[in-house]
Amino acid sequence: SQTIHQWPATLVQPVGSPLSLECTVEGTSNPNLYWYRQAAGRGLQLLFYSVGIGQISSEVPQNLSASRPQDRQFILSSKKLLLSDSGFYLCAWSVIEKDPEDRLNYGYTFGSGTRLTVV
Amino acid sequence: AQKVTQAQTEISVVEKEDVTLDCVYETRDTTYYLFWYKQPPSGELVFLIRRNSFDEQNEISGRYSWNFQKSTSSFNFTITASQVVDSAVYFCALSEDTGGFKTIFGAGTRLFVKA
Repeated sequence: SQTIHQWPATLVQPVGSPLSLECTVEGTSNPNLYWYRQAAGRGLQLLFYSVGIGQISSEVPQNLSASRPQDRQFILSSKKLLLSDSGFYLCAWSVIEKDPEDRLNYGYTFGSGTRLTVV
Repeated sequence: AQKVTQAQTEISVVEKEDVTLDCVYETRDTTYYLFWYKQPPSGELVFLIRRNSFDEQNEISGRYSWNFQKSTSSFNFTITASQVVDSAVYFCALSEDTGGFKTIFGAGTRLFVKA
């Protein structure tokens, strides 16, 4: 079965420190991968997405970067965290398949999230 | 460009009441996907339903039902006989059939169900 792992679950980091959040997917190959951030009491903001190894698209210019060193691994990084980087970070992956009528069907699954507090 | 609007920021109901969460979307694509997710206090996003743009049939799953109307670009979600466990933030989302299949979320509706 397909699963998505995201860690750590909780992280407290000082301002100016680096960040590395990792997300891995099992049970599928060549997934589309995504990083979202949810600020306290707010909706989800798409940060980055990747359609393949080494292919990263950024949606919002900011203090963060993403990398995809392997097919099923997606990493969110920062060299120096800001207070405004605090939030709930969610990794997601999507799978596209065809139904019996040859139409594309699309699924989207989230990891359990990392709650980051920058102090 | 994609856009999802959930005009209701918070809704408060008493247990056993029916409640409808509104969702209006904008897209230029003819092929797209609509989702509803539930986010309980623990934070994880729980998938509830996906609807393809080429399938306008409404769906019922237990106490949950969804009304997809392409003519008004709406995908509303109704909970019948609400329960306290339904208290959560509910997100409507839209994904277009373009490169990356990015999914854009509405701002969410926080539902409080009181006993």
